Amino acid sequence: DTAVSQTPKYLVTQMGNDKSIKCEQNLGHDTMYWYKQDSKKFLKIMFSYNNKELIINETVPNRFSPKSPDKAHLNLHINSLELGDSAVYFCASSFSGGAPTDTQYFGPGTRLTVL
Amino acid sequence: KQEVTQIPAALSVPEGENLVLNCSFTDSAIYNLQWFRQDPGKGLTSLLLIQSSQREQTSGRLNASLDKSSGRSTLYIAASQPGDSATYLCALETSGSRLTFGEGTQLTVNP
Repeated sequence: DTAVSQTPKYLVTQMGNDKSIKCEQNLGHDTMYWYKQDSKKFLKIMFSYNNKELIINETVPNRFSPKSPDKAHLNLHINSLELGDSAVYFCASSFSGGAPTDTQYFGPGTRLTVL
Repeated sequence: KQEVTQIPAALSVPEGENLVLNCSFTDSAIYNLQWFRQDPGKGLTSLLLIQSSQREQTSGRLNASLDKSSGRSTLYIAASQPGDSATYLCALETSGSRLTFGEGTQLTVNP
């Protein structure tokens, strides 16, 4: 009974292609996130959705488009992939409301390699 | 803009040793500070969460402290074990559920 799941786990593709990464959580959370971890292991937030609405967009290129069909899902679509997009992408979820005790639960990550 | 720094970047210790990981941050207007563990090829696991109004939290062999005035947190691991080998990440939560991470400390505990 995985809490936050991502598919695929690995994704290898050619430059210029379009690809999607899917994320699902079964924790009943209302907020979901996408993070990017680069080759230096630095983890940085990309997007956050609360009840299917975008609340954080950290100056990510327009080629990245998150889509949240419902509270339990947040997918990430990437157009025209570039070499610099190679990274590990993590999905996470939490309860919103600003409660200081709410931690975020992370998925296992998707390792994207652009050739 | 919140900046989070973790020192050291890597640490190797013999089994059984007590150790301290350090985290410093520039903006004290935080909701909480969290310590995560990341194993190779895996996601992040939350270890401890210290609310802004708290000074420390303990869980088993782990103790985390928070000093907002100096912009510092420490993660103390007692009697380290090889299974503690992982990357430890410090993260600060600010408004809008925004987490800002440090670059992590890669810990190796040698048997």
